[in-house]
Amino acid sequence: NAGVMQNPRHLVRRRGQEARLRCSPMKGHSHVYWYRQLPEEGLKFMVYLQKENIIDESGMPKERFSAEFPKEGPSILRIQQVVRGDSAAYFCASSPLGGAINGYTFGSGTRLTVV
Amino acid sequence: TQLLEQSPQFLSIQEGENLTVYCNSSSVFSSLQWYRQEPGEGPVLLVTVVTGGEVKKLKRLTFQFGDARKDSSLHITAAQPGDTGLYLCAGAKGGSEKLVFGKGMKLTVNP
Repeated sequence: NAGVMQNPRHLVRRRGQEARLRCSPMKGHSHVYWYRQLPEEGLKFMVYLQKENIIDESGMPKERFSAEFPKEGPSILRIQQVVRGDSAAYFCASSPLGGAINGYTFGSGTRLTVV
Repeated sequence: TQLLEQSPQFLSIQEGENLTVYCNSSSVFSSLQWYRQEPGEGPVLLVTVVTGGEVKKLKRLTFQFGDARKDSSLHITAAQPGDTGLYLCAGAKGGSEKLVFGKGMKLTVNP
């Protein structure tokens, strides 16, 4: 009964490269959320997805960031042309319907370093 | 502007002491969750409270949701070194699955 699986755990990218972060939700969970944690900051909501649909992307930067949760396979958070300010820990969480009441299960995160 | 303010931000205590962490807001939340996060890991859910005035207990941890659903507290009795970590509160507003997190309270319990 694996939890939320994120990979890679650590990712180093040079400025201008693309970063792809993957998240496989817990078995039976159809709702996926991405959060970003900057040093000395709390976790900030980025996007909420269900299979093949983006439900709420109000926390996503307007440019360079995109997310998907295809019918088959993991959810992907994609950052194009990375900049130093993108360096952060990115966490994925999943839930069955009603995560705000039942709680979310978080993965261990991907730590992105842009050099 | 931080929607959820946690205090204190840092706390270092001796094993066996009691402590209370506060999570305050001027906004009303439909639910509030507490998480504990260890270095290099993701947050782990401790509890969800949804009713104003609700009190939940988890072994030595007692959680309370304010009557007006704007604030919450976490009380730890007889803290142990294993309680060391970052304690985060997070709220959801009505109809939204999006969580707003506080910055957390970093607790160190010394043996």
